[in-house]
Amino acid sequence: RKEVEQDPGPFNVPEGATVAFNCTYSNSASQSFFWYRQDCRKEPKLLMSVYSSGNEDGRFTAQLNRASQYISLLIRDSKLSDSATYLCVVNPPTTSGTYKYIFGTGTRLKVLA
Amino acid sequence: DAGVIQSPRHEVTEMGQEVTLRCKPISGHNSLFWYRQTMMRGLELLIYFNNNVPIDDSGMPEDRFSAKMPNASFSTLKIQPSEPRDSAVYFCASNRQGVAYNEQFFGPGTRLTVL
Repeated sequence: RKEVEQDPGPFNVPEGATVAFNCTYSNSASQSFFWYRQDCRKEPKLLMSVYSSGNEDGRFTAQLNRASQYISLLIRDSKLSDSATYLCVVNPPTTSGTYKYIFGTGTRLKVLA
Repeated sequence: DAGVIQSPRHEVTEMGQEVTLRCKPISGHNSLFWYRQTMMRGLELLIYFNNNVPIDDSGMPEDRFSAKMPNASFSTLKIQPSEPRDSAVYFCASNRQGVAYNEQFFGPGTRLTVL
């Protein structure tokens, strides 16, 4: 089983729609979680961290479900500019006490006019 | 801040040649990560350093790959000899270790094509 799994999509949604992505992780001792965004032929950039209590940033809401080992990202009122690949990122535990980052393969979103 | 700097941005080489990719992390960051991205496998962690010391190289595909970090402001990833299946985008990232939710900052990547 992969450490981090995502539905590759693509998710094609009309402008203004609400869309949600899930990501599952295999190591129950994973410590922190993130969503990164990657535009075509660009580097990944942090979209938001995912805290145990859930968090919201404008139109974006992230949630963590430790019991079921998944994180989610909800995008409300989709914009054309939201079209990108969304990467789920997990910090599994390490023996060195340092933090390593494991990325999912990404979910591709296309927002259509 | 200039951000993470990678060079070259594009590299086209022939099978069997040596390839060296370079990275300058953000000043003050003490961790550096090398990733490889392909359509089939996504973004794979190859190796990461903390305070210039390699911590985990379990993602390095084989002995043809090697990475060094001689000082806090420079790292290299070398492939010798290169093969067509090494064609990918190689990203370098850096951050400050010590806190769980520290953001990683990525360089623009090196697009490698091995013919």
